[in-house]
Amino acid sequence: ETGVTQSPTHLIKTRGQQVTLRCSSQSGHNTVSWYQQALGQGPQFIFQYYREEENGRGNFPPRFSGLQFPNYSSELNVNALELDDSALYLCASSEPGLGSADTQYFGPGTRLTVL
Amino acid sequence: RKEVEQDPGPFNVPEGATVAFNCTYSNSASQSFFWYRQDCRKEPKLLMSVYSSGNEDGRFTAQLNRASQYISLLIRDSKLSDSATYLCVVNAGGTSYGKLTFGQGTILTVHP
Repeated sequence: ETGVTQSPTHLIKTRGQQVTLRCSSQSGHNTVSWYQQALGQGPQFIFQYYREEENGRGNFPPRFSGLQFPNYSSELNVNALELDDSALYLCASSEPGLGSADTQYFGPGTRLTVL
Repeated sequence: RKEVEQDPGPFNVPEGATVAFNCTYSNSASQSFFWYRQDCRKEPKLLMSVYSSGNEDGRFTAQLNRASQYISLLIRDSKLSDSATYLCVVNAGGTSYGKLTFGQGTILTVHP
């Protein structure tokens, strides 16, 4: 196991609602990245946090936002949910170092269903 | 054009077969390259990093050709447990941040 945990494991929401997903990074990892994986696709980069600051963002609208806390855990918030937001949301933590990309360890993911 | 493109698959091979996956990437500034493995309804797990000199880990061999922007993975003596989706992954963020860009994945099924 990677030591990266995510909660909840599954979630069902309706269109227009808001959701918060949580991630605890592996011990000692100060960088957390979030990915969205739609069914049958590879994960898509949402954004990355390094020492509580956003450190890069993919092509996702502003209704996708995040936070990183002093203990390096992180939240992903999605407002005004749309049906297409249904996906597996993955959190990955990286070894210390600004922008360190190598060896990103993934958590088990949160499966979000929007009805 | 997608940033990372993989063989569409799926691949269905018998145990003991050798199978090769190919991948191309569009961003010539990409810095790091990986193969990840993802089992059904699980998270991706790092299989191996890919280096220009090529690297081998047991039955798995990865190659990188920067000039052609091409990455490959060779699996020899396939096992039933190799059945999974294989994801070609590129760090397209350069040195500024670790943005992993994934291919769509290639499904491998190894049968008895």
